[in-house]
Amino acid sequence: DARTTQPPSMDCAEGRAANLPCNHSTISGNEYVYWYRQIHSQGPQYIIHGLKNNETNEMASLIITEDRKSSTLILPHATLRDTAVYYCTSSRNAGNMLTFGGGTRLMVKP
Amino acid sequence: EAGVAQSPRYKIIEKRQSVAFWCNPISGHATLYWYQQILGQGPKLLIQFQNNGVVDDSQLPKDRFSAERLKGVDSTLKIQPAKLEDSAVYLCASSLGFRGDGDTQYFGPGTRLTVL
Repeated sequence: DARTTQPPSMDCAEGRAANLPCNHSTISGNEYVYWYRQIHSQGPQYIIHGLKNNETNEMASLIITEDRKSSTLILPHATLRDTAVYYCTSSRNAGNMLTFGGGTRLMVKP
Repeated sequence: EAGVAQSPRYKIIEKRQSVAFWCNPISGHATLYWYQQILGQGPKLLIQFQNNGVVDDSQLPKDRFSAERLKGVDSTLKIQPAKLEDSAVYLCASSLGFRGDGDTQYFGPGTRLTVL
């Protein structure tokens, strides 16, 4: 019962921007959108989160559409170490529980 | 700042045996979560604690799984008896526990369980 949908896989050339889309058309107005990534054999790593406004940190930028039905995670200059599964998730109203879907497997190629 | 610690990192058992996993959250984090991640899938929440109380355990298979967080810090997750389908990575996460600007969860490295 994932509440977000993402493409199963994407490729990106090293040094180029990686734009990972996510659809979350059913999330409520006060639910945050979170992005995590998971490199093989490691726990998910927090990247960024947002509610309505676009956000930027040292790792990535998050662009949320005005209607909040979708968002895009941008890795501005992808490196080989960015190869991972990227999860877009949302928090439920009560308890901040995250529901993960299948994620997008991003392959950064030389 | 130390992250979420989990042990053991790997465990192999036979079906019908019991197993326990341990988690130490980030210092000061009131909320602790246990997730199960089956190969090829995203993590699935099993149970959430706020301090030493259970917030949600609706997806915990209570006939065989149990979890506790007696002093509101460390937590253990137990499976007894284990089944083949319990083979998965068990992830622990923690968060400060207030919404404010969201309540970001930070994950540990996980325990990989193989049931033979």
